[in-house]
Amino acid sequence: GQSLEQPSEVTAVEGAIVQINCTYQTSGFYGLSWYQQHDGGAPTFLSYNALDGLEETGRFSSFLSRSDSYGYLLLQELQMKDSASYFCGCVYNFNKFYFGSGTKLNVKP
Amino acid sequence: DTAVSQTPKYLVTQMGNDKSIKCEQNLGHDTMYWYKQDSKKFLKIMFSYNNKELIINETVPNRFSPKSPDKAHLNLHINSLELGDSAVYFCASSPRRTNEKLFFGSGTQLSVL
Repeated sequence: GQSLEQPSEVTAVEGAIVQINCTYQTSGFYGLSWYQQHDGGAPTFLSYNALDGLEETGRFSSFLSRSDSYGYLLLQELQMKDSASYFCGCVYNFNKFYFGSGTKLNVKP
Repeated sequence: DTAVSQTPKYLVTQMGNDKSIKCEQNLGHDTMYWYKQDSKKFLKIMFSYNNKELIINETVPNRFSPKSPDKAHLNLHINSLELGDSAVYFCASSPRRTNEKLFFGSGTQLSVL
């Protein structure tokens, strides 16, 4: 499989902005996705970047830089319900998809 | 209607038994997957089918055998269960083989005693 690196845990307060980074291997890279998973739940799709730049969806934005093999998920106006694990995932060679190890986000009041 | 449904939600069994997990999607997607999530939350792809054809088969023991009777169904049969098979198994589907957007089932918590 491919190697994706993301921080294991991040803590932030309600109302703050948090950025979760993801670095990946470039060989065969096709695009970068982000998923949210609450404890006991299933992963749910948040965003996908195939091209460089920022994609915005409400309070969540995702960024990709192909030249740096790097992307991030930006969460704004944090709410308690945003406490969850966030996974980056990469599409490789058109049809292979691998997840990072996940970042546990703790939102505190 | 649940888009990707898998059964059972919980499965508790003894070592050495054989068990199956079923998955169905009503999204009209062509591609379906099985993922395993271990106790450290790592999500690892096991298999992928596109229109009933196996397209991804990661390094998985041959005790695990997927079967896709049609493109809306992907089942997972596990023979001779071992303690290390305990995990949450997720079925997923995507509209295309490029799988940039996956839709996951609610998961099956398998506990092997």
